[in-house]
Amino acid sequence: GEDVEQSLFLSVREGDSSVINCTYTDSSSTYLYWYKQEPGAGLQLLTYIFSNMDMKQDQRLTVLLNKKDKHLSLRIADTQTGDSAIYFCAESEGNTDKLIFGTGTRLQVFP
Amino acid sequence: DTAVSQTPKYLVTQMGNDKSIKCEQNLGHDTMYWYKQDSKKFLKIMFSYNNKELIINETVPNRFSPKSPDKAHLNLHINSLELGDSAVYFCASSPRIEMPPRWGKLFFGSGTQLSVL
Repeated sequence: GEDVEQSLFLSVREGDSSVINCTYTDSSSTYLYWYKQEPGAGLQLLTYIFSNMDMKQDQRLTVLLNKKDKHLSLRIADTQTGDSAIYFCAESEGNTDKLIFGTGTRLQVFP
Repeated sequence: DTAVSQTPKYLVTQMGNDKSIKCEQNLGHDTMYWYKQDSKKFLKIMFSYNNKELIINETVPNRFSPKSPDKAHLNLHINSLELGDSAVYFCASSPRIEMPPRWGKLFFGSGTQLSVL
């Protein structure tokens, strides 16, 4: 079955860049997604990338995709305390509406 | 107005009881989902409905029964609750999009924390 792996924790200082990594297994996924979950809330879609792209930038967010290695990363520039949350990467199974979420990375930003 | 709303937010109950969680979306979306998030934050899909029709039914005990009276509502009924059912249950919806990506843009409710004692 599909497996989406992430490191569990990341701690950064305010103002630094954060890089959250993800590895996935389903090479047929056309799109890959990043979601953010703040404490006590549901997930919110942050951004997504088409599998034919290597990079996508959206303000402070940069998504990098290495399709050969099935590796996805999310870089947050100038990380703020409000960025503290759990970040999930996700792929759609066989291009269906079934999303397979990663294990989540808890990002902690300290002053 | 909240786009995807779930009730109740917290549910504490005894083992063996039957309980329901309600979900409503006012976004006009065609597809609704139930996800389960365990204590380690691992998120797994349980069910998906498209326009009141069951599309995805993962390996979930048949004590869990989703019901969709119309495409704006997807309720989850759980019979004979067990300790292992304790988790946060999220309802979500997604639009039918003809332009890519056709899937993956989920809108989540704020979750129902179920504690079975």
